[in-house]
Amino acid sequence: EDKVVQSPLSLVVHEGDTVTLNCSYEVTNFRSLLWYKQEKKAPTFLFMLTSSGIEKKSGRLSSILDKKELFSILNITATQTGDSAVYLCAVGTGANNLFFGTGTRLTVIP
Amino acid sequence: SQTIHQWPATLVQPVGSPLSLECTVEGTSNPNLYWYRQAAGRGLQLLFYSVGIGQISSEVPQNLSASRPQDRQFILSSKKLLLSDSGFYLCVSSRGLPYNEQFFGPGTRLTVL
Repeated sequence: EDKVVQSPLSLVVHEGDTVTLNCSYEVTNFRSLLWYKQEKKAPTFLFMLTSSGIEKKSGRLSSILDKKELFSILNITATQTGDSAVYLCAVGTGANNLFFGTGTRLTVIP
Repeated sequence: SQTIHQWPATLVQPVGSPLSLECTVEGTSNPNLYWYRQAAGRGLQLLFYSVGIGQISSEVPQNLSASRPQDRQFILSSKKLLLSDSGFYLCVSSRGLPYNEQFFGPGTRLTVL
């Protein structure tokens, strides 16, 4: 059965801290791994990763994929209260599916 | 860039009533369209996807159905809602294969009482 597991489920940090969110997966015919940020309603796209070891970076956010160990991490440095959200990891497969994890709820307190 | 419209934004329906959620897409043609459901405390679950007009694939057995009457219109329906149908329904569009960037609609919050 295809599955995507995210950890931790919930995380509370202070502004300025660095956080690492984890996503591990077991899927048939892996194609890509995607990270999303969900605040109030629909998720917004952050990164798509298809190759191992290549870091993708956008401002204070970065992500990397390990296709051998079947996981990805999302790093957020110098966190701000605006980073508070649920971060979703999803894995796309060749069967035209996108499997989502349950998400990590990040709360950044001032 | 694509824009996804969904309506209604919020819906409260009694058990056994019918359902129709509509999704329309702007800014692209021949998109792949998806319906996802997010139940409370859970991840997004793929319900249906469509690669073209009249082409619907179902991922989970349920009392819901989907239709794609036009290239940029995707409809989620039910003849009789169940309590377990409550959740947040998202319409998603992507150009080409599913591992490209996904564009999400604003979602519909459905509560079945």
